[in-house]
Amino acid sequence: EVQLLESGGGLVQPGGSLRLSCAASGFAFDENAMSWVRQAPGRGLDWVSSIGAAGGSRYYPDSLRGRFIISRDNFKNTVYLQMNGLRADDTAVYYCVQGRGPLESWGQGTLVTVSS
Amino acid sequence: ENALTQSPGTLSLSPGERATLSCRASQIISSRNLAWYQQRPGQAPRLLIIGASSRAAGIPERFSGSGSGTDFTLTVSSLEPEDFAVYYCQQYDTSPLTFGGGTKVEIK
Repeated sequence: EVQLLESGGGLVQPGGSLRLSCAASGFAFDENAMSWVRQAPGRGLDWVSSIGAAGGSRYYPDSLRGRFIISRDNFKNTVYLQMNGLRADDTAVYYCVQGRGPLESWGQGTLVTVSS
Repeated sequence: ENALTQSPGTLSLSPGERATLSCRASQIISSRNLAWYQQRPGQAPRLLIIGASSRAAGIPERFSGSGSGTDFTLTVSSLEPEDFAVYYCQQYDTSPLTFGGGTKVEIK
């Protein structure tokens, strides 16, 4: 069974940084691209970033490139999202997801709140 | 970016009825690179359909997808109580990946 366990969310002040982690199990982690998708309270889904299986290819929407950095450690079966320069509109539940095209399996999410 | 528009915003139906959800893209989606997801209240999204019409593993047969080009449809043939949820389409044909705004299927 695929399990994706996010951690690292919480309350952060505007302009601050946060690093999310996602521990994966139940599948061949080093053979799968991984993604982050977020959902603001009461809103729809927004793609945040994706990373290739080996970690060499990283993808971002133009709106987040330069502020967010995705990475992975295939020895630890973990994917990360480093978020810098956080703004109020980054407040959302952040989901860790298996895949980069169809998003196959989703974690339960971790809430990031940006507020003073 | 390829913007996806879902309609209707809300669908009010009774258990046992048929649900038809629409997803329209602003640009042609090649190779039918479109997926559908279900999100129940308080839960993470769940993948239902890939390649516009193929059910993901473990998805009941009452869920079906169709369409090509810019117009796609998700059909639930006979609504079960657990099907009342929000449904999203998503294209993975071009970057950035984009989602539709969602259709809420509620109990009438």
